[in-house]
Amino acid sequence: DAEITQSPRHKITETGRQVTLACHQTWNHNNMFWYRQDLGHGLRLIHYSYGVQDTNKGEVSDGYSVSRSNTEDLPLTLESAASSQTSVYFCASSEDSSSGNTIYFGEGSWLTVV
Amino acid sequence: AQSVAQPEDQVNVAEGNPLTVKCTYSVSGNPYLFWYVQYPNRGLQFLLKYITGDNLVKGSYGFEAEFNKSQTSFHLKKPSALVSDSALYFCAVRDRGSGNTGKLIFGQGTTLQVKP
Repeated sequence: DAEITQSPRHKITETGRQVTLACHQTWNHNNMFWYRQDLGHGLRLIHYSYGVQDTNKGEVSDGYSVSRSNTEDLPLTLESAASSQTSVYFCASSEDSSSGNTIYFGEGSWLTVV
Repeated sequence: AQSVAQPEDQVNVAEGNPLTVKCTYSVSGNPYLFWYVQYPNRGLQFLLKYITGDNLVKGSYGFEAEFNKSQTSFHLKKPSALVSDSALYFCAVRDRGSGNTGKLIFGQGTTLQVKP
């Protein structure tokens, strides 16, 4: 079955280190997204991509970057991890062509910055 | 600006009783509306969506939701709650306007607790 996988599922890192969270989907979806989930804030959009070589900033993009070199992958990089980036990160994907398409989520990556 | 409100942080219901999780939205045009469920330490699972047509939408696990345009609401319902329905529920909206393809705006989430 097609799916969306994230790795690592859990990570502890130190302040100032660069961290990359991987996201891989096998649906061949053009649209991919990264959200973070924090208590009291729900899910907030970090970055998104509508296709290869396309990336866009979401509402909380500061300190994060993404790249889209192929359809299947959208890695999220924290350039210099900060304690404020301790969160749960969700990757998601959807088909394009219509805003009515369902967005499907991965299982999440729990990141702790100490 | 688009927004979604889930006015209740937690909803408690006895098993076998009907449940309602409330959601109201604000968008500039006609919305696409979604409900997701999240179990502990898991990702979000899609339950149902309203795109167009019948205002009553049926989804997974016996859930349904009613779209009410005049009240800008999209409440999630289930006729008979199960203990296994206990989870965190998110309402989300996507504007149909161009330039917004794919981006969802989420509510804060409502914890549903179903007691035996």
